[in-house]
Amino acid sequence: AQSVTQLDSQVPVFEEAPVELRCNYSSSVSVYLFWYVQYPNQGLQLLLKYLSGSTLVESINGFEAEFNKSQTSFHLRKPSVHISDTAEYFCAVRDNTDKLIFGTGTRLQVFP
Amino acid sequence: DTGVSQDPRHKITKRGQNVTFRCDPISEHNRLYWYRQTLGQGPEFLTYFQNEAQLEKSRLLSDRFSAERPKGSFSTLEIQRTEQGDSAMYLCASSSLDRDGYTFGSGTRLTVV
Repeated sequence: AQSVTQLDSQVPVFEEAPVELRCNYSSSVSVYLFWYVQYPNQGLQLLLKYLSGSTLVESINGFEAEFNKSQTSFHLRKPSVHISDTAEYFCAVRDNTDKLIFGTGTRLQVFP
Repeated sequence: DTGVSQDPRHKITKRGQNVTFRCDPISEHNRLYWYRQTLGQGPEFLTYFQNEAQLEKSRLLSDRFSAERPKGSFSTLEIQRTEQGDSAMYLCASSSLDRDGYTFGSGTRLTVV
């Protein structure tokens, strides 16, 4: 069965510093991976996704993630964070019945 | 395209009462998913529909929970005889047949007192 592990429950970082949020997956089928962001009391917003092709995917707000098959990872990175990036981030994998399986989330807290 | 809409945004109910939530997916999406999210956790899958057919249900979906999508458009999730453990955010998502994107609604936050 497919699963996702987010190793860090919280990541504190200062504004303008780089950040990496880790995600490891297990899947016995073709891998489709997603990162979602959730602001307080809101639903999930898609940040970026890997379906096929280039292993490096980028979002419009400066985040990027790299699909690494050998390490079964899909870590999310941003070279310089902003206060407004403070949120909960969820990694997800699409399973063999086409539903998303989510990790437990990483709370990114950006300090001034 | 107004995205995925969920109603109500918040619901407070007394233990033992029945509640019903509604989800309106993106109109051209034929798949609709329900998830439950408790504090500090990731969303947990409950059930999903392709058009009006309910294709899969999680073990989390006890017999007090029922979901419908009668005409393949909007969906309802009903919880009967609510318990305090049902307090959570209930999220709805929809996707198209190519399933390369899942769009989530803002959720319904249920509080059982």
